Amino acid sequence: DAGVIQSPRHEVTEMGQEVTLRCKPISGHDYLFWYRQTMMRGLELLIYFNNNVPIDDSGMPEDRFSAKMPNASFSTLKIQPSEPRDSAVYFCASSRASATYEQYFGPGTRLTVT
Amino acid sequence: QQPVQSPQAVILREGEDAVINCSSSKALYSVHWYRQKHGEAPVFLMILLKGGEQKGHEKISASFNEKKQQSSLYLTASQLSYSGTYFCGTEEAGAQKLVFGQGTRLTINP
Repeated sequence: DAGVIQSPRHEVTEMGQEVTLRCKPISGHDYLFWYRQTMMRGLELLIYFNNNVPIDDSGMPEDRFSAKMPNASFSTLKIQPSEPRDSAVYFCASSRASATYEQYFGPGTRLTVT
Repeated sequence: QQPVQSPQAVILREGEDAVINCSSSKALYSVHWYRQKHGEAPVFLMILLKGGEQKGHEKISASFNEKKQQSSLYLTASQLSYSGTYFCGTEEAGAQKLVFGQGTRLTINP
């Protein structure tokens, strides 16, 4: 079975540009998570969905960040406008049973904002 | 609130044992352990629920002391493949989400 799929794997953009990260969760998983990982802040939960509905977005840094899940097999995380401090690795993860069940992480998107 | 892991880093020779600790100031419902190799995604190791449960995964086991809000990960007879950064993720009672610690970098040398 395919794991969690993320695209692009690497993204380099200039400050002020819009960035869209994409994620396809494992089929049958009801929970989808977006995390951000940096050396300074570690692995942070940004937002998670249950059955396509956002449940907790308290980790979203500010209004420049938005996430959607239009269907069970696709989610996006958008940053507009992007800033250099947004540079990080963004992981998408999915889980079958609950928000605290075993989570399967995608390979991540390494975002660099110059 | 982010749990605190200790040590931040540890270097071992192959075959030696290691203990990684994770503590929280909050009442916890569960503790999760993940391992991340350099440049890769975190991979799930195990979940421990409140009740002082101890679990094992190959030669890696863990315990959870709910009274002290602490969990420890034990790696015995370490192998080169155990190298990586270990994260604990804690679930506070009623929170329905995980908060990850800063990680412990484990290096196993031949």
